[in-house]
Amino acid sequence: KQEVTQIPAALSVPEGENLVLNCSFTDSAIYNLQWFRQDPGKGLTSLLLIQSSQREQTSGRLNASLDKSSGRSTLYIAASQPGDSATYLCAVYKAAGNKLTFGGGTRVLVKP
Amino acid sequence: NAGVTQTPKFQVLKTGQSMTLQCAQDMNHEYMSWYRQDPGMGLRLIHYSVGAGITDQGEVPNGYNVSRSTTEDFPLRLLSAAPSQTSVYFCASSFRDQETQYFGPGTRLLVL
Repeated sequence: KQEVTQIPAALSVPEGENLVLNCSFTDSAIYNLQWFRQDPGKGLTSLLLIQSSQREQTSGRLNASLDKSSGRSTLYIAASQPGDSATYLCAVYKAAGNKLTFGGGTRVLVKP
Repeated sequence: NAGVTQTPKFQVLKTGQSMTLQCAQDMNHEYMSWYRQDPGMGLRLIHYSVGAGITDQGEVPNGYNVSRSTTEDFPLRLLSAAPSQTSVYFCASSFRDQETQYFGPGTRLLVL
């Protein structure tokens, strides 16, 4: 059974520092991997989708890498801002049918 | 586009009552899913659909029914609510398999 882990569960950084968020999965035979952001009491907002054939994906200040052989993905957020405070979730597609398996998330606080 | 919409936003039920959580999307997406989010358990897939008339079970389907009569709508039915179904429910959709999933704002359900 696919398991997805995000460590640490919570992270606090000063504004301007780069954020590094980790995601690990037990089964390397994944299809794609998606990173989300969730604000308190809100739904999930998609940040990046990395296809299984890609090693990285970039959008603005966000960069996500994927290393299937080691079962890891990393989300980098450059020059963090207080507005980046949220919970970040990674999720992997294992099989056909659009089924996502989620990690527990990393709660990020960016202090002004 | 309104994206993925869910109603109601919040609902209180008594044990044994039934209700339907509504989900609709206006993006002509074939794939739709229902997840529940619980503290300490993360997000888990309940049911999903790969097109009108086609549904299948996810990780935690017991106590829930779904049907997909149109591309736009994917309601989730609780036939006899139990306190264990207290949760936040999210609906998601994507255009194709393994592509970016878009989430609705969620329905917070409390079963007494």
